[in-house]
Amino acid sequence: QQQVKQSPQSLIVQKGGISIINCAYENTAFDYFPWYQQFPGKGPALLIAIRPDVSEKKEGRFTISFNKSAKQFSLHIMDSQPGDSATYFCAASFSGYSTLTFGKGTMLLVSP
Amino acid sequence: KAGVTQTPRYLIKTRGQQVTLSCSPISGHRSVSWYQQTPGQGLQFLFEYFSETQRNKGNFPGRFSGRQFSNSRSEMNVSTLELGDSALYLCASSSSGFEAFFGQGTRLTVV
Repeated sequence: QQQVKQSPQSLIVQKGGISIINCAYENTAFDYFPWYQQFPGKGPALLIAIRPDVSEKKEGRFTISFNKSAKQFSLHIMDSQPGDSATYFCAASFSGYSTLTFGKGTMLLVSP
Repeated sequence: KAGVTQTPRYLIKTRGQQVTLSCSPISGHRSVSWYQQTPGQGLQFLFEYFSETQRNKGNFPGRFSGRQFSNSRSEMNVSTLELGDSALYLCASSSSGFEAFFGQGTRLTVV
C-alpha cells in the first residue's frame, strides 16, 4: 500500500520556469512533510519541510504548499536552474519518529 | 560538523553470503534509520534505532537485521543474500525525530 503518491514521475522545465511537483498522502496521522533532493551517486538531501499547522513555507526559490483538507502538498521551484536537475522525493512521518514514508520520486530536468 | 558516514561505499557479494554495512551518525544524533533504495521500489524504510533500541521496523524479511551501539553508530546485516537485495542502502540520522540527514549510501551488488 503506497501511503504517499507523487506526481509527475518526470518533468522537463525550461530555465527560469516554475517546477511543480505534487504529493498526496493517506494517513492523517502524518504530521511532518519534508522534501528531499537527490543527485546521482549521492544520498537524499533535506531541502525544505512543513508541518500541517501552516499552509505554506518558503525558503529561497523553494516553496511548499500544504492543503490539509485535501491531504496534498506540493513543491514549487521558482526560477528553475539547470543545477536544480535532480530527483525530488516527498515524504511524510509521525511526530518524533524518523521513519519516513517516501513518494516514488520525480526526475526533474531543467533545460538551459 | 561531519555528516553521516557510511562504509563501505561499494560492495559486491555472492548469493548466499552475508554482509554488514556501517553507519556513523552526525555527532549528537541518537536516532539512526536505514532505507533501501531501488529503481523499482524507490526508498523503503528498513528500521530505526534510538538509544540502542529498535524503535520501528519496516516490512522486510528477517534476513535484514540491525543494531545500534552506545556511541550511536549503527550496523545493518543482511544474511543469505539474494539477487534482489542489490540496492543502495542509505542511513539517516536525526536528533529531533524530524529532520533526517542521509549519508551517501552503500551500493550493494549481489551476483
